Amino acid sequence: GAVVSQHPSWVICKSGTSVKIECRSLDFQATTMFWYRQFPKQSLMLMATSNEGSKATYEQGVEKDKFLINHASLTLSTLTVTSAHPEDSSFYICSAKTGQQETKPQETQYFGPGTRLLVL
Amino acid sequence: GQNIDQPTEMTATEGAIVQINCTYQTSGFNGLFWYQQHAGEAPTFLSYNVLDGLEEKGRFSSFLSRSKGYSYLLLKELQMKDSASYLCAVMDSNYQLIWGAGTKLIIKP
Repeated sequence: GAVVSQHPSWVICKSGTSVKIECRSLDFQATTMFWYRQFPKQSLMLMATSNEGSKATYEQGVEKDKFLINHASLTLSTLTVTSAHPEDSSFYICSAKTGQQETKPQETQYFGPGTRLLVL
Repeated sequence: GQNIDQPTEMTATEGAIVQINCTYQTSGFNGLFWYQQHAGEAPTFLSYNVLDGLEEKGRFSSFLSRSKGYSYLLLKELQMKDSASYLCAVMDSNYQLIWGAGTKLIIKP
């Protein structure tokens, strides 16, 4: 099956610094990648949808200048949390789509293992 | 608005059967997903229903009634490793996943 990796899996940083999280599709080309955030005991919250070669589409309430997304290739998307603060501490998960949503919607999203961010 | 409802937490006994319900109201429908998520890990795909009826896959089964906006995940012969959160998600008319808050399932010996 399709594999999605994330790096790093864990990051601890000081308040005010920036953190970059990478999401890679290892054995398929991902035309679209999704970035989610999950706070403890809560469900996944979609932050943004990233299409290769174009600007990301952010969900309402998500600051695009704070959460910078770059989808430069069909196998890599990055999320940069700029000037991180303790309230940004969360579990960040990416997922990648193969682009066959209309014909095989059940196979469209493959999740990475997640990145746990702790801002001190 | 779009809404997915599922119980917050359920408790069951090892070896027993448990049913986790999910009701939804979304703009369009392109299928309903169940995912399993262990603590600190990303979700893993369990099932997908787009037509009414029951889909069986080993110890897990998923049911869908589109007219009622209702689904359930049935877990049989519960094992301790089944302790996890179970997420219900609906794919709307834009092929975007709308997620429920998840049901934390606690298995007791």
